[in-house]
Amino acid sequence: AQSVTQLDSHVSVSEGTPVLLRCNYSSSYSPSLFWYVQHPNKGLQLLLKYTSAATLVKGINGFEAEFKKSETSFHLTKPSAHMSDAAEYFCAVMDSSYKLIFGSGTRLLVRP
Amino acid sequence: GAVVSQHPSRVICKSGTSVKIECRSLDFQATTMFWYRQFPKQSLMLMATSNEGSKATYEQGVEKDKFLINHASLTLSTLTVTSAHPEDSSFYICSARAPTSGAETQYFGPGTRLLVL
Repeated sequence: AQSVTQLDSHVSVSEGTPVLLRCNYSSSYSPSLFWYVQHPNKGLQLLLKYTSAATLVKGINGFEAEFKKSETSFHLTKPSAHMSDAAEYFCAVMDSSYKLIFGSGTRLLVRP
Repeated sequence: GAVVSQHPSRVICKSGTSVKIECRSLDFQATTMFWYRQFPKQSLMLMATSNEGSKATYEQGVEKDKFLINHASLTLSTLTVTSAHPEDSSFYICSARAPTSGAETQYFGPGTRLLVL
């Protein structure tokens, strides 16, 4: 069965510093992996996805993630945080029925 | 990108009443839509998979008689919470799979906040 683990429930960074949100996955086959962002009381917006193409995936708003099979990881990074990046971030893996299985989420706080 | 809408955005109802939530794909046809529930400060939990023209497939532990799902057209799925109770208060989010964008892509609606008094 597929699953994802988001290692940090909260991450706090200063504006202008790098962001690292961690995600590890478990899958019996080559997974499709996703990062979504959710602002308060809003739906989810797709940041980026990995579907067995290039291992370094670039997304919207300057975010990128690297698929590392040896580490079963798909960490989300951004070189410089903006105040507008403060939100909840969800890592997800897709199973064979196209269902998304979400991690528990990481709340990103950006300090001025 | 593809747009998915939900209506209403928020609803308050009395205990025992039924509430219908609509999920529409505005600029694409969605053969499959998904319904999720999100409790405060928690992740999204899949409730059911809705396929156009057929019965929905419910996840384990989700009462199909309480959460009625209808996917009557390629652009509309509805979730009806029947005889709602306060414990049904939650944020309900739908998503739609757009085949033309690749089977892997799901687009999410903005969510519906349900409060049952």
